[in-house]
Amino acid sequence: KNQVEQSPQSLIILEGKNCTLQCNYTVSPFSNLRWYKQDTGRGPVSLTIMTFSENTKSNGRYTATLDADTKQSSLHITASQLSDSASYICVVTVTGGGNKLTFGTGTQLKVEL
Amino acid sequence: EAQVTQNPRYLITVTGKKLTVTCSQNMNHEYMSWYRQDPGLGLRQIYYSMNVEVTDKGDVPEGYKVSRKEKRNFPLILESPSPNQTSLYFCASSLRVTGVGDQPQHFGDGTRLSIL
Repeated sequence: KNQVEQSPQSLIILEGKNCTLQCNYTVSPFSNLRWYKQDTGRGPVSLTIMTFSENTKSNGRYTATLDADTKQSSLHITASQLSDSASYICVVTVTGGGNKLTFGTGTQLKVEL
Repeated sequence: EAQVTQNPRYLITVTGKKLTVTCSQNMNHEYMSWYRQDPGLGLRQIYYSMNVEVTDKGDVPEGYKVSRKEKRNFPLILESPSPNQTSLYFCASSLRVTGVGDQPQHFGDGTRLSIL
């Protein structure tokens, strides 16, 4: 069964600190992996997409990595800000069969002063 | 402004009373989808549409109906709502049908439904 598991489930960090969120998947065949940020009361917004051939990609203070061999991805947030408080969702696309999307349950990040 | 608009944002209703949640996008996207989001379960797909008059079931379609008569609109219909359909619902759209995951999905801001 295709699954996407995220860890930790929740995380609290101090403003200015770095953190790393994990996403492990068993999806096969793999097409791509996307990270979304969901602010409270809003819909998810795409942060970055990783394809099979990519190892790392940055979007400002967000850096995503992908290890297709171990089927793991991480999202690293540098110099966190209060506005980074949100849920971060990992979504993996299965190749073929209508390109089905498999969603992780998300990591709830809270950045405190 | 490019956006996905859902209405209503909040609704409290009673078991068995038919309701419709509307979804409209102004980006000329082919692909549209409905999700429900429940604590601990994440986003689960209800129905999706590849284009006008083309719809298909997602992972949790029971108790829901959809239609795609126009490209911009994709309403979600609950013919006889039940308490287990109490949830946060999201509509989303994306640009291309092929390689749907290649394009980011644009989500609405959600509709919180409470079925008593």
